[in-house]
Amino acid sequence: AQSVTQPDIHITVSEGASLELRCNYSYGATPYLFWYVQSPGQGLQLLLKYFSGDTLVQGIKGFEAEFKRSQSSFNLRKPSVHWSDAAEYFCAVGEGNNDMRFGAGTRLTVKP
Amino acid sequence: GAVVSQHPSWVICKSGTSVKIECRSLDFQATTMFWYRQFPKQSLMLMATSNEGSKATYEQGVEKDKFLINHASLTLSTLTVTSAHPEDSSFYICSASSRAAEAFFGQGTRLTVV
Repeated sequence: AQSVTQPDIHITVSEGASLELRCNYSYGATPYLFWYVQSPGQGLQLLLKYFSGDTLVQGIKGFEAEFKRSQSSFNLRKPSVHWSDAAEYFCAVGEGNNDMRFGAGTRLTVKP
Repeated sequence: GAVVSQHPSWVICKSGTSVKIECRSLDFQATTMFWYRQFPKQSLMLMATSNEGSKATYEQGVEKDKFLINHASLTLSTLTVTSAHPEDSSFYICSASSRAAEAFFGQGTRLTVV
């Protein structure tokens, strides 16, 4: 069965610093991979997704993620974090839009 | 991107009553809709998948008689929490997709059962 692991429950970074959020997945075939962001009490906003092709994916708000098959990873990165990036981030894996499974989430705190 | 609207955004109900949550795709036809439940500080757990005109497919452990899902049209799915109890209090989120396209999420519904 497919699963997603986000090893870091909570990360704190200083504003302007770089960010990397980790995501590892378990899936039998080439997965569809997603990163979503959720602000408190809000729904989910898609940051980026990987279906196939170039393994470095660019998303919105300056985020990017790299699919590494050999490591079963899809880590999210941003070179310079802004205070408005503070939120909960979820990695998800699925086969297209079917049976999408979410990681436990990583809460990002941004220090001034 | 496409817009998915959930209504209501929040609801408080008395224990034993039923609550209906609507999920609408505003500018596309959603052949598939998904319902998730999210407990505080936790991830989203898929409850069920519904295809228009078909019965919903429930995940293991989700009571289909308690969480009634109807997907009667290509733009509307409803989740009814029947005989709600305080332990049903949660954040419910829907998503909708058309064929071979990404899923778009609603803004969620906060249900509090008192």
